[in-house]
Amino acid sequence: EAGVAQSPRYKIIEKRQSVAFWCNPISGHATLYWYQQILGQGPKLLIQFQNNGVVDDSQLPKDRFSAERLKGVDSTLKIQPAKLEDSAVYLCASSDGGNQPQHFGDGTRLSIL
Amino acid sequence: RKEVEQDPGPFNVPEGATVAFNCTYSNSASQSFFWYRQDCRKEPKLLMSVYSSGNEDGRFTAQLNRASQYISLLIRDSKLSDSATYLCVVNMRDNYGQNFVFGPGTRLSVLP
Repeated sequence: EAGVAQSPRYKIIEKRQSVAFWCNPISGHATLYWYQQILGQGPKLLIQFQNNGVVDDSQLPKDRFSAERLKGVDSTLKIQPAKLEDSAVYLCASSDGGNQPQHFGDGTRLSIL
Repeated sequence: RKEVEQDPGPFNVPEGATVAFNCTYSNSASQSFFWYRQDCRKEPKLLMSVYSSGNEDGRFTAQLNRASQYISLLIRDSKLSDSATYLCVVNMRDNYGQNFVFGPGTRLSVLP
């Protein structure tokens, strides 16, 4: 079974620029998550989708972050404009929903200069 | 109070040692529990789910105490390859439905 696919693996941009990340979950997984992980901390949930609907985006900084999952499969996360404090690893995960565990992609390591 | 707390670490232990990690959670409505392992510069990977009756997978034993809102992970006969950060994850029910909350992680270094 193919795992969660993410791209790009690495991204370096200057502050105030825009960046987008892409995620393709495990086939058949209805629930998709985007996390931000700052060095030395556990992952922090940014947004959770159930199919193409948003379940929880309470911790998403909506003034600069946006995400969509239009067809209920792959998803994009965008930051516009980026700030220095956005430097982190952005992880995508998917699950079968309910109490099932999440499976993570390799993540995108974002550096803001 | 943070929703999920873990031993601050780091834990430095010799090969063959037994080491235990503790995790506490604040939401009594939490429904499922997991331990994940994260290697440096890698994504978290599921180590094991934690069941109410406790469960074992080889050298790893997980326990859950719902009354005390406490989870533990025991690693016996530790190997060099066990060196990683161990993340406690709690699936909580809140106003938005079910929400996976990660602890900050406990770093383990197994020394030769």
